[in-house]
Amino acid sequence: EAQVTQNPRYLITVTGKKLTVTCSQNMNHEYMSWYRQDPGLGLRQIYYSMNVEVTDKGDVPEGYKVSRKEKRNFPLILESPSPNQTSLYFCASSLDRGRAGPSYNEQFFGPGTRLTVL
Amino acid sequence: GESVGLHLPTLSVQEGDNSIINCAYSNSASDYFIWYKQESGKGPQFIIDIRSNMDKRQGQRVTVLLNKTVKHLSLQIAATQPGDSAVYFCAEGRTFGTYKYIFGTGTRLKVLA
Repeated sequence: EAQVTQNPRYLITVTGKKLTVTCSQNMNHEYMSWYRQDPGLGLRQIYYSMNVEVTDKGDVPEGYKVSRKEKRNFPLILESPSPNQTSLYFCASSLDRGRAGPSYNEQFFGPGTRLTVL
Repeated sequence: GESVGLHLPTLSVQEGDNSIINCAYSNSASDYFIWYKQESGKGPQFIIDIRSNMDKRQGQRVTVLLNKTVKHLSLQIAATQPGDSAVYFCAEGRTFGTYKYIFGTGTRLKVLA
């Protein structure tokens, strides 16, 4: 089954304790991205990756790191989590369909990771 | 399930009627637009997309309309069903140079039986 998986699904941690949220996709997609979702603010992009070893900042990258060593994996790293990083996190992946055709970059989202930082 | 928004605008529609959800986008340079559906406790699910060289695109029971003059996007759902109840987000992006996306805050669609 084609899917994006995230682990863990739920995590409660304390301020300053480094953590990693994993994301994996089995669709051979070039593009992957991390978002956070907060009430009233919608989805905000943290980082994205256009391919292996190619990453770039989204709108809210502060306090986060990512890496893309393999095409299928795109972990999100919080080196020193703070309470303002308490949020619902989503990973997404997609193909770049290029210039032709009506569709371009429809993203497939994972199930989400609920993170609470105390 | 997890809350995706405490004070989202809500559209209530009778089952079988058509729904229209609107979205204003912000960046004149955006040339790609997408609608997503998010059910409670799940990740967003792609519905339909449109490039800026089109004004309209139809899918199965859904139509997206793009008005670049006023930077407005709408999603029309025909014959709305109870399974359509969810939060709907629009997103804007570009087809070259970047994979940055800006999402709207969402509209909650409630289908009344």
